[in-house]
Amino acid sequence: QKEVEQNSGPLSVPEGAIASLNCTYSDRGSQSFFWYRQYSGKSPELIMFIYSNGDKEDGRFTAQLNKASQYVSLLIRDSQPSDSATYLCAVGSSASKIIFGSGTRLSIRP
Amino acid sequence: DAGVIQSPRHEVTEMGQEVTLRCKPISGHNSLFWYRQTMMRGLELLIYFNNNVPIDDSGMPEDRFSAKMPNASFSTLKIQPSEPRDSAVYFCASSSGTGTTYEQYFGPGTRLTVT
Repeated sequence: QKEVEQNSGPLSVPEGAIASLNCTYSDRGSQSFFWYRQYSGKSPELIMFIYSNGDKEDGRFTAQLNKASQYVSLLIRDSQPSDSATYLCAVGSSASKIIFGSGTRLSIRP
Repeated sequence: DAGVIQSPRHEVTEMGQEVTLRCKPISGHNSLFWYRQTMMRGLELLIYFNNNVPIDDSGMPEDRFSAKMPNASFSTLKIQPSEPRDSAVYFCASSSGTGTTYEQYFGPGTRLTVT
């Protein structure tokens, strides 16, 4: 089992709809959770971080964390073509390591 | 405010040559991370420093790789000798926190090609 798992996609979502990206992790002691967006040929860009169970909203983005289920998700409301990118989930483990998932490719179709 | 700066942006070298990648973290950040990204293996943490001290180098693939941080504003990642399988994009990132529990900010990366 991978330490951080994401569906590789591509996930295709119509413009204006909600895109839902999911991530599971294996280390129950993990304390910090991050979502990065990476456009092709560019570096990862931090878009959300969450440390506590529940939801955290920032503009069109909502991060959701459920530590009991070892699950973190990212919702993108009112999806735009500019949201088309690869989204990386990263988890700060109990061993003070940060582990990235392999990423989910998101495609917003006009 | 300048972000993380990396140089060179592209490097093409022949197998067996020494390669040195450079990074300047965001001013005031006290943690610095080196990553490697390939299609096959994704984004891998190679090493990270806190207050210029290497904390975890367990991701460094082998002795051919070495990293230094002589001061708070500069770090290098060296590969000697380089091999074709080292071809990848190498990212440097910095953080204002200690350890891996704080958000990191990535540089633009160095695309390394070893022929």
